[in-house]
Amino acid sequence: DGGITQSPKYLFRKEGQNVTLSCEQNLNHDAMYWYRQDPGQGLRLIYYSQIVNDFQKGDIAEGYSVSREKKESFPLTVTSAQKNPTAFYLCASSLQGALTGELFFGEGSRLTVL
Amino acid sequence: DQQVKQNSPSLSVQEGRISILNCDYTNSMFDYFLWYKKYPAEGPTFLISISSIKDKNEDGRFTVFLNKSAKHLSLHIVPSQPGDSAVYFCAQGVQGAQKLVFGQGTRLTINP
Repeated sequence: DGGITQSPKYLFRKEGQNVTLSCEQNLNHDAMYWYRQDPGQGLRLIYYSQIVNDFQKGDIAEGYSVSREKKESFPLTVTSAQKNPTAFYLCASSLQGALTGELFFGEGSRLTVL
Repeated sequence: DQQVKQNSPSLSVQEGRISILNCDYTNSMFDYFLWYKKYPAEGPTFLISISSIKDKNEDGRFTVFLNKSAKHLSLHIVPSQPGDSAVYFCAQGVQGAQKLVFGQGTRLTINP
């Protein structure tokens, strides 16, 4: 089946620790995105990548880092610099760029900082 | 500044009736909009889209209306079904940035 796989689904982290969320897609999409969802707020863009080895900051990139070494993979690292990391994280991809093409989302990863 | 607002955090509708979800936007430089549906603990799924060359787009029970002069769009679901209970997000395409800006979401509950 084609789709986007995020792992882990649930993750607990102690304060001060870095954590990496995995996102893999087998849709052959060029563009990939990371969004964050908090209660009562919309999806906010963290980082996005239109092509391998290139990525851009979204609206809330501080405290996060990404890499795009392979077309199918776009991992997100939540660093200790992120002040409020507890949230639901969503990875997405699109074929022709989000302006006209729909985004396909993974099932999300819920990060809880203890 | 690109802003998309869904001013109703929740909506409750009786099964079989019409559900109307609303969305307002501030920046009309790029008028392309999408609606997504999200169940708890799952990723959003694409529902329907509309561009500025249209005022209306219909797909089965779902119709999206775009009022460019008012910078307002709405999603109509008729007839509403229990499986429609979910959070609905509207999103706007951002010109030049290749990204979507999402509203806060509206939680729709369909009552039997």
